[in-house]
Amino acid sequence: KAGVTQTPRYLIKTRGQQVTLSCSPISGHRSVSWYQQTPGQGLQFLFEYFSETQRNKGNFPGRFSGRQFSNSRSEMNVSTLELGDSALYLCASSLGQGGVPNEKLFFGSGTQLSVL
Amino acid sequence: SQKIEQNSEALNIQEGKTATLTCNYTNYSPAYLQWYRQDPGRGPVFLLLIRENEKEKRKERLKVTFDTTLKQSLFHITASQPADSATYLCAPPNQAGTALIFGKGTTLSVSS
Repeated sequence: KAGVTQTPRYLIKTRGQQVTLSCSPISGHRSVSWYQQTPGQGLQFLFEYFSETQRNKGNFPGRFSGRQFSNSRSEMNVSTLELGDSALYLCASSLGQGGVPNEKLFFGSGTQLSVL
Repeated sequence: SQKIEQNSEALNIQEGKTATLTCNYTNYSPAYLQWYRQDPGRGPVFLLLIRENEKEKRKERLKVTFDTTLKQSLFHITASQPADSATYLCAPPNQAGTALIFGKGTTLSVSS
C-alpha cells in the first residue's frame, strides 16, 4: 500500500506570493490533517478534512485554507506569503471514522516551504 | 489553555542503556496520548497509543506509561541502539478532542 504522498518536496517563494501544496492520502483513508512544523513552535495543527468538508480548524489566519476532493486528495493554499510562513508543511491521513485523536496518523514527508 | 511539555530537548545515552523521555500536560486531562518518532527530513511515524485506563503499554523494546495523577506520560526504550536516534514526540488530543497536539519533541542520540 502506498504511503502518504506530498508534492512538491521543496518550494521557494517570495513574500506576497501564494502557494498550493498537495497531499494524496493512503488509499481508503478519508481524513486528511495538515500541520505546520517550525523549529521554534514544533508541529501546529492547521485543519482537518473529512469527506470533502473541513471538520476541524486550528488557530491560523484566513490566509491558510484547504480543500479536499472526492478521492480524498487534499490541497492547502497559503496566500500573501510572509517570511514567517517558512516551514515544513506536513499532511497526515487516517481512516477518520473514530475521530482523529483516537486514530494513528500516517504522515507524508512534507513540503519544505521557504519564503524569501 | 492546554499545554504539552517534553522536558528535555535532547537526551544522549550509550548503546544498551534505557532511554526515558517525559511528556507533561497541564490544564486538562486527555483520554488518550500517542507517541511518534520523527527522523530528519521525514514526517512523524506512529509508535504507540495509550488510553487513560491503561497504565502501561508495551511494544517490543518500547514501553509507555500514563499517569493521570501526575499528568505525565513516560516513554522508555530499553536496550537502546544507535538506530533509535531520532526525535520523539508525544501527542495527546486537544481539549476539545478534535485534533492531536504535539509536544516539541525530545531528540535522542544513542552512541555506540
